[in-house]
Amino acid sequence: ETGVTQTPRHLVMGMTNKKSLKCEQHLGHNAMYWYKQSAKKPLELMFVYNFKEQTENNSVPSRFSPECPNSSHLFLHLHTLQPEDSALYLCASTGQQGGDYGYTFGSGTRLTVV
Amino acid sequence: KQEVTQIPAALSVPEGENLVLNCSFTDSAIYNLQWFRQDPGKGLTSLLLIQSSQREQTSGRLNASLDKSSGRSTLYIAASQPGDSATYLCAGSYNNNDMRFGAGTRLTVKP
Repeated sequence: ETGVTQTPRHLVMGMTNKKSLKCEQHLGHNAMYWYKQSAKKPLELMFVYNFKEQTENNSVPSRFSPECPNSSHLFLHLHTLQPEDSALYLCASTGQQGGDYGYTFGSGTRLTVV
Repeated sequence: KQEVTQIPAALSVPEGENLVLNCSFTDSAIYNLQWFRQDPGKGLTSLLLIQSSQREQTSGRLNASLDKSSGRSTLYIAASQPGDSATYLCAGSYNNNDMRFGAGTRLTVKP
């Protein structure tokens, strides 16, 4: 374990379902991120939170809704997804803006939309 | 635009060989550069982090270099082992709180 925990590890959902991905870190980091990794594509940054405040939304469709209740927890709420949203969703955290100490990633949630 | 490119996309070597993975980035205003390893279907494991003021970092059989002026970083793996088989990703961190990733090099080390 890296110190960043993501649940669930695998998720299959229908296009009309609502589900949430969870990320938790107890590393004392103040910035948390959601990344999407699709097959044969580089990682795509989705959302950034610094001290619980969203500082970046990288043109992500509104069917993805992030929530950061505190510096240790990050959620990604999903609703009315499309099959092309199937991917590995990775959460990361870092101790300082700009990543002085590098990024720590979770193991990811493998999402399949049917 | 901050782009990161990795070549080759895939590499297959026999066990015991030394190898070099390449990473290039277009924006030299990089804050730091990080190399990750990713096993199939798994998350990313950090291997080495090089700050912009540093030239290289070493960890065991791994050595990463950073040349900001040429926009390049290399990851050197000595005496490769089958357990090194994975996808290796480089990522540049910028002051806009963004980390840009390359598409990765898929390494296979054959016994």
